[in-house]
Amino acid sequence: QKEVEQNSGPLSVPEGAIASLNCTYSDRVSQSFFWYRQYSGKSPELIMSIYSNGDKEDGRFTAQLNKASQYVSLLIRDSQPSDSATYLCAVTQPFGNTGKLIFGQGTTLQVKP
Amino acid sequence: ETGVTQTPRHLVMGMTNKKSLKCEQHLGHNAMYWYKQSAKKPLELMFVYNFKEQTENNSVPSRFSPECPNSSHLFLHLHTLQPEDSALYLCASSQLAPGYEQYFGPGTRLTVT
Repeated sequence: QKEVEQNSGPLSVPEGAIASLNCTYSDRVSQSFFWYRQYSGKSPELIMSIYSNGDKEDGRFTAQLNKASQYVSLLIRDSQPSDSATYLCAVTQPFGNTGKLIFGQGTTLQVKP
Repeated sequence: ETGVTQTPRHLVMGMTNKKSLKCEQHLGHNAMYWYKQSAKKPLELMFVYNFKEQTENNSVPSRFSPECPNSSHLFLHLHTLQPEDSALYLCASSQLAPGYEQYFGPGTRLTVT
């Protein structure tokens, strides 16, 4: 079983719609959860972090965490063509004094005008 | 710009060459990381440095040799690489607490011929 699982997609949504990206993780001791956006040929960019159960909103982005179900999601409201990218879910596990970040394989999002 | 810089941005080297990748962070972080990103594969953690001390070597072949002279600089020395080592090499940095949010540099696109 992969430690962090994402559907590779592509997920295609029309402009203005809500895009829903999902991620599951296997290690119950995971403490911190992140969403990164990666444009083709570029490096990952941190867009959301979440540490406790529930929702966290930042502009058009909402991260949702359910530790009991080992599930984290990212909602993008009013999707724009510029949101077209690969979205990486990452989970930190306690590792001495440095959090070890485990990445999923990413979900490719396509927002069609 | 995330405050993490990497040089060179592109590198082509033969299998007998020796080269070095450089990373510098201007964020005041005390942990630095090397990742490898190959096509169709999740980000792979290679090395972790915590206050200049290596705390993780993720079964990386010895042809990759990291160096961390201080908390702001990180190097990856390369020698006798193989074509399958061609990938995007990413440097990241973070604070050690509370959530270990990692910020990535732009990456070095390495091609081994």
